[in-house]
Amino acid sequence: GAVVSQHPSRVICKSGTSVKIECRSLDFQATTMFWYRQFPKKSLMLMATSNEGSKATYEQGVEKDKFLINHASLTLSTLTVTSAHPEDSSFYICSARRPVNLKLFFSYNEQFFGPGTRLTVL
Amino acid sequence: DQQVKQNSPSLSVQEGRISILNCDYTNSMFDYFLWYKKYPAEGPTFLISISSIKDKNEDGRFTVFLNKSAKHLSLHIVPSQPGDSAVYFCAARWIENFGNEKLTFGTGTRLTIIP
Repeated sequence: GAVVSQHPSRVICKSGTSVKIECRSLDFQATTMFWYRQFPKKSLMLMATSNEGSKATYEQGVEKDKFLINHASLTLSTLTVTSAHPEDSSFYICSARRPVNLKLFFSYNEQFFGPGTRLTVL
Repeated sequence: DQQVKQNSPSLSVQEGRISILNCDYTNSMFDYFLWYKKYPAEGPTFLISISSIKDKNEDGRFTVFLNKSAKHLSLHIVPSQPGDSAVYFCAARWIENFGNEKLTFGTGTRLTIIP
């Protein structure tokens, strides 16, 4: 399978600061990357879909000014949590998908997940 | 509103026996169902998928069954091995307008294989 990395794996920051999380596809070009958030004992919740070279599409209830997403290249997407607060503490995980064609509707094109980033805001 | 549910947070199975993980869903728009496996400190890894037009898909020791009328799917692992101990997530895919793919995940089931 393909490899997706995330950096950092853990981060602790003070309330009011901004934190940037990087997601990289190491051995393939990912035109689409996804950002998820997971609360303890909860499922992964999709926050936004990031397409290379265009603005991210945010899910309902996710503040785009709070969670800035940049997908500047085919191998890198970043999530910046701005002015972090304790309620932003969570496990953030990204996934990447290879370019798809019309087969999107007739097959599942695997999303490759990163190992996640544990954010703790004090 | 939890559209994909895994009602068993944990499951313990003897090595060599069959492990059955269950998942229920509510949205009829889902067209693919997936199982992901997750080890601690790692991202989920794709295990197996099934199209909504099928009722069974098999890959080695792993078989996924889909019952559309009951909106239920299950993952069977046989024989279970110690390396299968992990958290298993059920997920469902739907294609939004303009081709945006979205995955909805369950809360996971922690499978422990007892040697």
